[in-house]
Amino acid sequence: EIVLTQSPATLSLSPGERATLSCRASQNVRSYLAWYQHIPGQAPRLLIFDASNRATGIPARFSGSGSGTDFTLTISSLEPEDFAVYYCQQRSNRPPVRFTFGPGTKVHIK
Amino acid sequence: QVQLVESGGGLVKPAGSLRVSCAASGFTFTDYHMAWIRQTPGKGLEWIAYISNSGDTTEYADSVRGRFTISRDNAKNSLYLQMNTLRDEDTAVYFCAGGEMATAYFDYWGQGTLVTVSS
Repeated sequence: EIVLTQSPATLSLSPGERATLSCRASQNVRSYLAWYQHIPGQAPRLLIFDASNRATGIPARFSGSGSGTDFTLTISSLEPEDFAVYYCQQRSNRPPVRFTFGPGTKVHIK
Repeated sequence: QVQLVESGGGLVKPAGSLRVSCAASGFTFTDYHMAWIRQTPGKGLEWIAYISNSGDTTEYADSVRGRFTISRDNAKNSLYLQMNTLRDEDTAVYFCAGGEMATAYFDYWGQGTLVTVSS
């Protein structure tokens, strides 16, 4: 079973600053990794799929990179609405179907 | 627009049962695999159940296998989760989520329904 770890657990930043979030997989997942944003009380939102592709309607300040076991989500300049929890996620590439989420990185206002 | 609306959450006693539902609209439901994902208090997201677009294939996380059953009614654009033998640790917000069959991800999410297991 693939395990995802995220770092840091929390990130304290000011609006306008750059955020760099990391996700590491315990095995090679190639580029099959997604990032989600979750604001408490709201539905989680898909930001990035296949490691580096922005989902529909996602602003260009969000970008993803990486492949294999190491991945990065970058928010180039934080807007007030970006303060949230960010999760990475992958799916098993062979049966049985399994989905795994990382533990999350909370980005909060400094 | 796309909507996933969960319902049926509430307070249930340990060892009890509950069924939560998810009504989908605004997209072609039969093109999407669906899942239930939960968030326990103060913790992150945990995938617990998956169903293919046709309903032929289901899979479960170890934490719920044998106790929970995922199902769908494509004629009603609805997804269900039957939860039996509930435990305190099943207390969580339950989200339904959907992704296109060709992908490994969840494009659409509901806002969740809270299930509290407590005596």
